[in-house]
Amino acid sequence: DIQLTQSPSTLPASLGERVTISCRASQSISNSLNWYQQKPDGTVKRLIYSTSTLESGVPSRFSGSGSGTDYSLSISSLESEDFAMYYCLQYATYPLTFGSGTKLEIK
Amino acid sequence: EVQLVESGGGLVQPGRSLKLSCAASGFTFSNYYMAWVRQAPKKGLEWVATISTSGSRTYYPDSVKGRFTISRDNAKSSLYLQMNSLKSEDTATYYCARHDPPDYWGQGVMVTVSS
Repeated sequence: DIQLTQSPSTLPASLGERVTISCRASQSISNSLNWYQQKPDGTVKRLIYSTSTLESGVPSRFSGSGSGTDYSLSISSLESEDFAMYYCLQYATYPLTFGSGTKLEIK
Repeated sequence: EVQLVESGGGLVQPGRSLKLSCAASGFTFSNYYMAWVRQAPKKGLEWVATISTSGSRTYYPDSVKGRFTISRDNAKSSLYLQMNSLKSEDTATYYCARHDPPDYWGQGVMVTVSS
């Protein structure tokens, strides 16, 4: 199984700040990576697919990049609604696996 | 608008069975792979099962293989998850999701396995 190591697990940040979340795979996943946001009420939303393609309706302050085993999600200028949990997911091979999550919290 | 509404959750004893349902609307259900993903309390997300458009192919992680069965009824735009031999570690919120890997997610349904 492909393991995804997501870091940091908690990320304190301020409004307007730029942040980056990392996701490292145990083997190459050839850009087969999505990013999801989960709000405290449990609602899950896809933000980025295929490493860097922004989901329709997602603000342009979100961006994804990476290749091989190393991927990242960046938020250029944090807004209040961005404070949530973030997960990466690899779909290069079954079983699909998620990163352990990053809690983006207000500093 | 894509809508996925799960139902069938609740409290069940270890070793018993439970069947979850997901009613889909707002898209052509038969054109999409569908999946179930779960989240144990205070834990991360875990993929549970995927089914192809026709239902002929299914995929599971080892943690549920042989105990869980995903199925679908394209005529009813419905997805199902039959869960047998339930264990305490199956306690989680179960999400129905469109596509594989998922794009749209339902709101989730809680399953508690406890005596």
